[in-house]
Amino acid sequence: QVQLQESDPGLVEPSGTLSLTCDVSPGYISSIWWWGWVRQPPGRGLEWLGAAHHSGTTNYNSPFKSRLSIAVDRSRNHFSLELSSVTAADTATYYCVSLVVVGSYFNYWGRGALVTVSS
Amino acid sequence: QSALTQPPSASGSPGQSVTISCTGTTSDVGNYNYVSWYQHHPGKAPKLLIFEVNKRPSGVPDRFSGSKSGNTASLTVTGLQSEDDADYYCTSYAGNTNLVFGGGTKLTVL
Repeated sequence: QVQLQESDPGLVEPSGTLSLTCDVSPGYISSIWWWGWVRQPPGRGLEWLGAAHHSGTTNYNSPFKSRLSIAVDRSRNHFSLELSSVTAADTATYYCVSLVVVGSYFNYWGRGALVTVSS
Repeated sequence: QSALTQPPSASGSPGQSVTISCTGTTSDVGNYNYVSWYQHHPGKAPKLLIFEVNKRPSGVPDRFSGSKSGNTASLTVTGLQSEDDADYYCTSYAGNTNLVFGGGTKLTVL
């Protein structure tokens, strides 16, 4: 059973960069799977952000392409998300997920981390 | 507003069956057999219940089943149990590596 655990950045200032990491159970980060992020703003639905493969290939949802970066760090057994130029609209619970193939399904999820954008 | 439409709530008594719908368009649910369903108990990690319309991962009880007709996918839970009280979300592939979600359904076991 794969376990995913998000870091807890808490509060991020407007116009700043939101940074999150997701720790992955040992032995999986270099598998064929992809590692990605989904978010849920308060009172709203889930949104697909994007994913990365340990090979360095990335796939981002179009609305976020210009300010999103996802990377896998095999040496630390985790992957990361950086979202730049944040506004209050980026306040959400961020979930890290694994996917067998991009566009397929999320086979594992983390518990989620609430990130608030506020000064 | 979510791309896929789910009823906000559903309910049933223990032992009964309930079906949750997920309606999309010919650009997502109607065009691809990549519909998945997730169960979410608040505060816990969401769990994959169904993938590729009607396939169950190992460990998911066969009380959970999925189907699709046209632009609408459905999740059926038979023999409702108290632990099924949770939020349920559907997703679908929408082309160009994009995934879209439903707004979620709160299932209450009475």
